Amino acid sequence: GIQVEQSPPDLILQEGANSTLRCNFSDSVNNLQWFHQNPWGQLINLFYIPSGTKQNGRLSATTVATERYSLLYISSSQTTDSGVYFCAGMDSSYKLIFGSGTRLLVRP
Amino acid sequence: DGGITQSPKYLFRKEGQNVTLSCEQNLNHDAMYWYRQDPGQGLRLIYYSQIVNDFQKGDIAEGYSVSREKKESFPLTVTSAQKNPTAFYLCASSIALSSGRDSYNEQFFGPGTRLTVL
Repeated sequence: GIQVEQSPPDLILQEGANSTLRCNFSDSVNNLQWFHQNPWGQLINLFYIPSGTKQNGRLSATTVATERYSLLYISSSQTTDSGVYFCAGMDSSYKLIFGSGTRLLVRP
Repeated sequence: DGGITQSPKYLFRKEGQNVTLSCEQNLNHDAMYWYRQDPGQGLRLIYYSQIVNDFQKGDIAEGYSVSREKKESFPLTVTSAQKNPTAFYLCASSIALSSGRDSYNEQFFGPGTRLTVL
């Protein structure tokens, strides 16, 4: 099945810094979602982005489907951005396959 | 308010007991899913349902059972056959499982249930 690799596994930032999170896929995916898991475990939808670029406030994402990767950009990070960021790709059976996440800590 | 609710938030059970986790959605979504998350890991699919009275095994279905008698409800039973049941369980839904319509298979998640088996 599809393998999803996220990098870096851990990231510590000073408030105000920018960062890029990466998601690589071993095979083509039908769609791609980015999530933020808050400290209480709730998964918040960030982007549904099978291809192209989308922006939402300080966050933006780019998926290059032909090269099997996606990037999540966080600009001017805030302490509330802390948590775990997951990407997940949908395989040919329409099942979402999750990566292991990037754990982000933003320090004040 | 439209959304996905899971109950209870925390659940403690003795080893050998079956336990049922509730998942309800009022989004009028056809597809529903159950995932398991272990500490420091991503989510893994247990079961999913495209439509009422139909469900399919995911990647880690052994020791679990589900039912889909109503569109808005998809309860998960963790049986005594599940070797390591202690985990965080998340329910999700989408408009459809597969669709040519953009974003119809975007999944949205409930708040989760933390199950601890003592």
